[in-house]
Amino acid sequence: GQQLNQSPQSMFIQEGEDVSMNCTSSSIFNTWLWYKQDPGEGPVLLIALYKAGELTSNGRLTAQFGITRKDSFLNISASIPSDVGIYFCAGLTNYGGATNKLIFGTGTLLAVQP
Amino acid sequence: DGGITQSPKYLFRKEGQNVTLSCEQNLNHDAMYWYRQDPGQGLRLIYYSQIVNDFQKGDIAEGYSVSREKKESFPLTVTSAQKNPTAFYLCASQTGFRQPQHFGDGTRLSIL
Repeated sequence: GQQLNQSPQSMFIQEGEDVSMNCTSSSIFNTWLWYKQDPGEGPVLLIALYKAGELTSNGRLTAQFGITRKDSFLNISASIPSDVGIYFCAGLTNYGGATNKLIFGTGTLLAVQP
Repeated sequence: DGGITQSPKYLFRKEGQNVTLSCEQNLNHDAMYWYRQDPGQGLRLIYYSQIVNDFQKGDIAEGYSVSREKKESFPLTVTSAQKNPTAFYLCASQTGFRQPQHFGDGTRLSIL
């Protein structure tokens, strides 16, 4: 199945540093989503983006929906140890009728050194 | 509390055995989904359902079956035909078109 190109694959940073990750696709999406997954848990929604060019913040997190609708990025400012986890981007597309299909990126593993 | 409940958290399957993973939601969402997650990979869609008594195959439906007899329940059966069932299984629901999907906490299935 289709997957989004997400980079970087992993990041090892010091507490307090800023983080940036992005997703690109050859297809256009109507909605971009960013999730965080802790080990052994389900993904938790961080930010949802609905319009091209949209910039949305959630605390220390900021995400943007690319103008071309084929990319999105997520920034985390002033990272803290609890930011550790796997971050997934996901693009929402139509999948027949009124059904939506989520296409997931391969994930970015974030490790934060206290 | 409103949410999506998956059970059990861990499940073990013997060779030739069918096993059923439970997914229940009290969010009154119409659409429900099942995904499979393998190490180092994103989520892949197994089955989805837009409404009671209707469901459709996703990208990797072979060896799996589902039912949707009630709005709040969408159980997944991993049949003996699924030769590589060891994975983390995630159930999700969605409130409406173009809205985010919300996930349960997953079931980890292993082979004995």
